[in-house]
Amino acid sequence: DAKTTQPTSMDCAEGRAANLPCNHSTISGNEYVYWYRQIHSQGPQYIIHGLKNNETNEMASLIITEDRKSSTLILPHATLRDTAVYYCIVRVDSGGSNYKLTFGKGTLLTVNP
Amino acid sequence: EAQVTQNPRYLITVTGKKLTVTCSQNMNHEYMSWYRQDPGLGLRQIYYSMNVEVTDKGDVPEGYKVSRKEKRNFPLILESPSPNQTSLYFCASSFWTGGSEQYFGPGTRLTVT
Repeated sequence: DAKTTQPTSMDCAEGRAANLPCNHSTISGNEYVYWYRQIHSQGPQYIIHGLKNNETNEMASLIITEDRKSSTLILPHATLRDTAVYYCIVRVDSGGSNYKLTFGKGTLLTVNP
Repeated sequence: EAQVTQNPRYLITVTGKKLTVTCSQNMNHEYMSWYRQDPGLGLRQIYYSMNVEVTDKGDVPEGYKVSRKEKRNFPLILESPSPNQTSLYFCASSFWTGGSEQYFGPGTRLTVT
């Protein structure tokens, strides 16, 4: 899996968009970008993933640059409950393999009232 | 509601007393996995299962056993718990295809004295 780099922490005002960056300059052509988050001591939660096109679901949007060397997770209207550690993971998804997830240190997003 | 459940959520036990942490998912997922999370060490995989009756070791299997007799259940067994197994445990599951989109249980906080 390609290495990722994320800021250690970020702050965001409640109701504003939270933009979390991730650098993955060594990403391979068949590697996906995944985002998870973990609210304190709760189980990690899958957010979104993409290969090269921008993706949106009910939780967030994922913007991947054209060269795929970086991406941004966007929470459009952050709430206090979005305070969590956010993890960016780059990996290949090949059927029949061990889908072990390896989280780095992630970004602690603090949403302030 | 699609979910992964774990029981118990909290457990305090003594060294050597056998225990089982149950994990159940209702999404018909083929892949299931156990992780432990310790401060500063991140998530470490204990065991995983690609399907019924197919299990394999993760990165830290010593002191643990698993079984996968039914698709929905993947119990974690500690035959003779020791204090170094005090940790926060998570069960996760996913489909065979796109296995990196995983659903995690709420966690089991185990203390072995």
